Amino acid sequence: NAGVTQTPKFQVLKTGQSMTLQCAQDMNHNSMYWYRQDPGMGLRLIYYSASEGTTDKGEVPNGYNVSRLNKREFSLRLESAAPSQTSVYFCASSADKGHTQYFGPGTRLTVL
Amino acid sequence: DQQVKQNSPSLSVQEGRISILNCDYTNSMFDYFLWYKKYPAEGPTFLISISSIKDKNEDGRFTVFLNKSAKHLSLHIVPSQPGDSAVYFCAASMNRDDKIIFGKGTRLHILP
Repeated sequence: NAGVTQTPKFQVLKTGQSMTLQCAQDMNHNSMYWYRQDPGMGLRLIYYSASEGTTDKGEVPNGYNVSRLNKREFSLRLESAAPSQTSVYFCASSADKGHTQYFGPGTRLTVL
Repeated sequence: DQQVKQNSPSLSVQEGRISILNCDYTNSMFDYFLWYKKYPAEGPTFLISISSIKDKNEDGRFTVFLNKSAKHLSLHIVPSQPGDSAVYFCAASMNRDDKIIFGKGTRLHILP
């Protein structure tokens, strides 16, 4: 039982490049989330998916897109990376809305 | 406009003593509060939660107190241990909604 897994662990991009961050959970959770963590800013919600087939914007969605591929997987895409997107990205899942969220280990992204 | 505030960026406590981490919130609609703990290079892990119908919840060495009239909650760790050195995030949600709002975190150092 791996919980929430994220790939890759580290990534360096050049400005303008695109990439997709992958997230998967094996807890049969309905809800999944993407956060970013910046120094002194805490965790900020980018996008979330309350259930398979639905996605909604969080606090800082600009520059990102998401796909809830199935119940297990929720990906985050940067179409044209910018230095302001340098951050640590965390994926999380919860059994249902309002329940405790469980986090993955994070992806550290640097955009040059 | 921060809805969940952790005004102490860091806190140092002697091993064996009590650690008290504070959190204030501005939205009176919040009805569920959580504390998460985060070690470097790892994702946040759930520590303890409290519903607004309670004023105290205890789990081993960890106790969370909620003062609704003051819109204030605190996490007490007794006794503090070296493994408690981490960043602690306070978080809140309303109506068991999908979204959890996180504070910026407090870094706790347990001194030998």
